[in-house]
Amino acid sequence: EAEVAQSPRYKITEKSQAVAFWCDPISGHATLYWYRQILGQGPELLVQFQDESVVDDSQLPKDRFSAERLKGVDSTLKIQPAELGDSAMYLCASSLLIDTQYFGPGTRLTVL
Amino acid sequence: GENVEQHPSTLSVQEGDSAVIKCTYSDSASNYFPWYKQELGKRPQLIIDIRSNVGEKKDQRIAVTLNKTAKHFSLHITETQPEDSAVYFCAAGSSGSARQLTFGSGTQLTVLP
Repeated sequence: EAEVAQSPRYKITEKSQAVAFWCDPISGHATLYWYRQILGQGPELLVQFQDESVVDDSQLPKDRFSAERLKGVDSTLKIQPAELGDSAMYLCASSLLIDTQYFGPGTRLTVL
Repeated sequence: GENVEQHPSTLSVQEGDSAVIKCTYSDSASNYFPWYKQELGKRPQLIIDIRSNVGEKKDQRIAVTLNKTAKHFSLHITETQPEDSAVYFCAAGSSGSARQLTFGSGTQLTVLP
């Protein structure tokens, strides 16, 4: 069964450094989502892509976060500079049909 | 925007008993309600979903009910087993170009042997 892939699985960085996360959605899934999940809370949407276009990035802190999906397939989420409050799980999800979202294993970010 | 509230935040049941988790939503335009199970350190996995054109859906020991008028939906797990222990998230969304989900805060279910 095809799954969403993410890397790295874990990332430890110091504040003010740059970090990047990668996501490869299930083949053929046009819609891709990046979520942030703080421990003990539900996922919160950061950015949504339809193919290579951003559909919604209203919750993305654009002063330090950026996301791209240049060829409409895989995607990269970047944080520069990282802050202590960015420590969280970053989840990627993709969907083919109108509703069902499939999640990747996530990248756990720790900012020291 | 949509707001989803989930209760309880923690739930402990004896093996074999039933567990019920409840969610309310605010946006009457929401018409899709999935439930995800997330085991420690693993990805959220879709376990069941319901669309607004039905009031109840069942899959073996898991069922979901939806009350559109009251804007609430519930997850029911019968004959609970230790492997049901996990965090469960409800979500609400609307079909269409946005296709976004708003998640509840999660319920930590512990099934005691």
